[in-house]
Amino acid sequence: DIVMTQSPDSLSVPLGERATINCKSSQSVLYSSNNKNRLAWYQQKPGQPPKLLIYWASTRESGVPDRFSGSGSGTDFTLTISGVQAEDVAVYYCQQYKSSPITFGPGTKVDVK
Amino acid sequence: QVQLVQSGSELKKPGASVKVSCKASGYTFNKYNMNWVRQAPGQGLEWMGWINTESGNPVYAQGFTGRFVFSLDTSVTTAYLEISSLKPEDTAVYYCLKDGGGIKDWVLDNWGQGTLVTVSS
Repeated sequence: DIVMTQSPDSLSVPLGERATINCKSSQSVLYSSNNKNRLAWYQQKPGQPPKLLIYWASTRESGVPDRFSGSGSGTDFTLTISGVQAEDVAVYYCQQYKSSPITFGPGTKVDVK
Repeated sequence: QVQLVQSGSELKKPGASVKVSCKASGYTFNKYNMNWVRQAPGQGLEWMGWINTESGNPVYAQGFTGRFVFSLDTSVTTAYLEISSLKPEDTAVYYCLKDGGGIKDWVLDNWGQGTLVTVSS
């Protein structure tokens, strides 16, 4: 199984500042057929189901604000929130879909100061 | 728009069974596979497996074989998760999730609202 890790476990970011969340996979999630990474990011607000933010490591899902961006390749990935808003308080999960079983990172909790 | 509406919370005793439903609408049901994910209280996300909505063939992740059954009723565009011989450690929120399909194959692009199953004597 591909093991996903995230850092930090939590972070508190001043309103309007940048938040950076890291995700690492135990094996490369690069898909050789199209040279893209099978890595997604989800946002889970309190009391709600997770919501897809980004797939293929850097493609924003329709309707997701452009302050959310994803980057990275191979085994190391980053989710950046540029200009954190109050409504971004949530737990963020990375997920690999390169191989079965699908696996998620443990989550990073983001608070806004 | 795509909607996945799950059945309500359940309180069950150990050893009982529960069946969670997931009613899909807003898309062609048998063109996108359905996944299930478990989230124990205060914990992260655990993928349980998926069911092919065209063939009805289920695939279970390790740890979800034996007591867990995925099924479909395509006539009412509904997927089901049945758990038998419930244990207290099965207490969790269970989510159904639509696969994105195509270039979003295996991307979980729509989630049900979740069903809390509580197992307690």
